[in-house]
Amino acid sequence: EDQVTQSPEALRLQEGESSSLNCSYTVSGLRGLFWYRQDPGKGPEFLFTLYSAGEEKEKERLKATLTKKESFLHITAPKPEDSATYLCAVQADSNYQLIWGAGTKLIIKP
Amino acid sequence: DAGITQSPRYKITETGRQVTLMCHQTWSHSYMFWYRQDLGHGLRLIYYSAAADITDKGEVPDGYVVSRSKTENFPLTLESATRSQTSVYFCASTLGRDQPQHFGDGTRLSIL
Repeated sequence: EDQVTQSPEALRLQEGESSSLNCSYTVSGLRGLFWYRQDPGKGPEFLFTLYSAGEEKEKERLKATLTKKESFLHITAPKPEDSATYLCAVQADSNYQLIWGAGTKLIIKP
Repeated sequence: DAGITQSPRYKITETGRQVTLMCHQTWSHSYMFWYRQDLGHGLRLIYYSAAADITDKGEVPDGYVVSRSKTENFPLTLESATRSQTSVYFCASTLGRDQPQHFGDGTRLSIL
């Protein structure tokens, strides 16, 4: 069964303390992996798409990487405004529907 | 502004009532989606549409009805609301089925 698991469920960091969020997936054939950011009371906002193992994408303090079994979202020197829930979703070759993880709630304390 | 808008933002209703959630997008995207988001779960797909007059079931379609008579609108109807349908509902759209989906800000629905 296709599945996506995100860890940890929640992460509290001090401002400037770098860390990584994990998205593990089981899918028959990966078409793409998507990262989104969701602020309270808002819809998910698209960040990155990764298509193949070894691929990396960067945006400001965020860098997403992909292996054959998992993706990491690395946050370098985070700021309080990076606080949000980060969602991961995968799309299988066999089915265009997205399979979503439950998210990681990131809190950055000043 | 171009984008995707959902209405209402908040709705309280009673079990057994019919309720319709609206979704409108200005991008002329072909694909539109309805999800529900519950604590501890990832987003779960209710229904999706590839074009006007083409709709299909997602993971959790029971108790819901959709229509798409115009490309820009994709309403979701709960025919007889139940407490288990209390949730936050998100509408999304995309140009191509392997492109990123873009989301509205959701409707928080409470069924008493």
